[in-house]
Amino acid sequence: SQQGEEDPQALSIQEGENATMNCSYKTSINNLQWYRQNSGRGLVHLILIRSNEREKHSGRLRVTLDTSKKSSSLLITASRAADTASYFCATATQGGSEKLVFGKGTKLTVNP
Amino acid sequence: DTAVSQTPKYLVTQMENDKSIKCEQNLGHDTMYWYKQDSKKFLKIMFSYNNKELIINETVPNRFSPKSPDKAHLNLHINSLELGDSAVYFCASSPRWAGPSAMNTEAFFGQGTRLTVV
Repeated sequence: SQQGEEDPQALSIQEGENATMNCSYKTSINNLQWYRQNSGRGLVHLILIRSNEREKHSGRLRVTLDTSKKSSSLLITASRAADTASYFCATATQGGSEKLVFGKGTKLTVNP
Repeated sequence: DTAVSQTPKYLVTQMENDKSIKCEQNLGHDTMYWYKQDSKKFLKIMFSYNNKELIINETVPNRFSPKSPDKAHLNLHINSLELGDSAVYFCASSPRWAGPSAMNTEAFFGQGTRLTVV
């Protein structure tokens, strides 16, 4: 069953602007991960945040996690045209087997 | 060096044929997966293997049969292909199966195999 739901489904911004994508999920999790998928390519792991963490940074990426609201956000600062891709959140659920459950993704377009 | 490699990258075949997709990882990971991504980009797990043993089978039709000859390989065989099987299939691996209570590792994905059934 689908776990994560990203919004917006699509986002178009100008280079230099910040991009924020949100993810909501339904069940208790061990961790939440964000992946990027360039068109026609595989998924690349960006960042993992554990259920006992609230915020994490990696370069221009900032991820927050609110387990009480079962939601997470991914912020990309100072976006570049090369950031154009689809972004997926994935959850590793508590008490479950070894698997990641993905949302439908946000398609980000960064215009030069 | 390609960490997770799948072959072929593209596969066009007629209905009712049988086809296989191969996957190999050179990362020394214990766990491997098959995911299916449909035309709406929704990714759904199909199978998970840990050290050659099946861990997860997500109600996939019996026409799909994974085979793991060793922990570095997880192949997917599909019998009697149907139009609805058209999708992109991704193989992935992760360092370890942390057990039912935790999974703290990321997954590494292959480039995908675009299967088109005509």
